[in-house]
Amino acid sequence: RKEVEQDPGPFNVPEGATVAFNCTYSNSASQSFFWYRQDCRKEPKLLMSVYSSGNEDGRFTAQLNRASQYISLLIRDSKLSDSATYLCVAVSGGYNKLIFGAGTRLAVHP
Amino acid sequence: GAVVSQHPSWVICKSGTSVKIECRSLDFQATTMFWYRQFPKQSLMLMATSNEGSKATYEQGVEKDKFLINHASLTLSTLTVTSAHPEDSSFYICSAVSNRGTGELFFGEGSRLTVL
Repeated sequence: RKEVEQDPGPFNVPEGATVAFNCTYSNSASQSFFWYRQDCRKEPKLLMSVYSSGNEDGRFTAQLNRASQYISLLIRDSKLSDSATYLCVAVSGGYNKLIFGAGTRLAVHP
Repeated sequence: GAVVSQHPSWVICKSGTSVKIECRSLDFQATTMFWYRQFPKQSLMLMATSNEGSKATYEQGVEKDKFLINHASLTLSTLTVTSAHPEDSSFYICSAVSNRGTGELFFGEGSRLTVL
């Protein structure tokens, strides 16, 4: 079983839609979680951290459920520029050792 | 601008040759750097943790004699793919942890290797 699992998508949504991504992790010892965004053939860029109390940044909301080992990302009012692959990340083992999910692809169309 | 720079961005080489990829932290020192590999439509897979002044720690299944890592200074780590084969063609990305104490991780722009 992969340590971090995501629905690969793709999610094809119209502009303005709300879309939610889910992610599960298998290592209960993981302490920190993030969502990264990766554009085609580019390096991943940090989108936001994920906390149990929830974390909101503009149109983006991330949530962590430690009991279920489940992470979510909600994007409201989707923009064309949101089209990318969203990577769920858990910090595992040593300091800053990031374990990436395979990513969920989002395509926002006019 | 980018705080971690990788070079080269693109490289094409013949099978059997060796390729060196550099990862530099531009405005901070990094005791620890990480090397990832990403195949098309797959996740980033951690290959190894590079520690300045000591041997790299390799993940299970990664051949240390094939992927040589050198972290000789606090701003430079290199990954050398030795005797490259077509199956080594991939996107290689490094990341660095700032010594400033924030723990923030910065990614390089990645290096795309194609082995013919």
